[in-house]
Amino acid sequence: EAGVAQSPRYKIIEKRQSVAFWCNPISGHATLYWYQQILGQGPKLLIQFQNNGVVDDSQLPKDRFSAERLKGVDSTLKIQPAKLEDSAVYLCASSFQTDYGYTFGSGTRLTVV
Amino acid sequence: GESVGLHLPTLSVQEGDNSIINCAYSNSASDYFIWYKQESGKGPQFIIDIRSNMDKRQGQRVTVLLNKTVKHLSLQIAATQPGDSAVYFCAENWGGSNYKLTFGKGTLLTVNP
Repeated sequence: EAGVAQSPRYKIIEKRQSVAFWCNPISGHATLYWYQQILGQGPKLLIQFQNNGVVDDSQLPKDRFSAERLKGVDSTLKIQPAKLEDSAVYLCASSFQTDYGYTFGSGTRLTVV
Repeated sequence: GESVGLHLPTLSVQEGDNSIINCAYSNSASDYFIWYKQESGKGPQFIIDIRSNMDKRQGQRVTVLLNKTVKHLSLQIAATQPGDSAVYFCAENWGGSNYKLTFGKGTLLTVNP
């Protein structure tokens, strides 16, 4: 089966600019996750979707981060305005509703200068 | 905050040796644990999982041991190969049926030929 697709692979922006990341999960996977992975650390959950509804966004900095999954398939994560500390890899993962194992995409590496 | 931690941030082994990577967790309610492997520039890749009603699970060249008494998880890799060089993360499910994984900081495994 095709994996989780993410784009772009890399992005460099200046602070205070905006940026958007895109994720296409594995076909049929109802649950989608966005994680932030700062260099040298483990991934940290930002938001979890079940179909097109948000299950958990408690760790999403909502003053600057937003995410949507309008049709229950693809998802976008946006940062506006970006800060230097947002430099990280943003990982998207998906899973079946009753399948515990996540499948991760390769991520988008964001550098804020 | 993070509840999953690793005792050793780096581990260097000789090719052909067995590797043991350890992980401590603090949430006694966690019911599911996964080990992930992350190579440079890639997303985490599922290796093996274990549920809290088990204490051992074996895969191909890998074994996961769970000690709920001391809240300890370990990953054993038999006959370690250069291709096993990567960062290894343990993750625990905090979310119950919501399948929300919390990751530790990772251990860098280096296999010397």
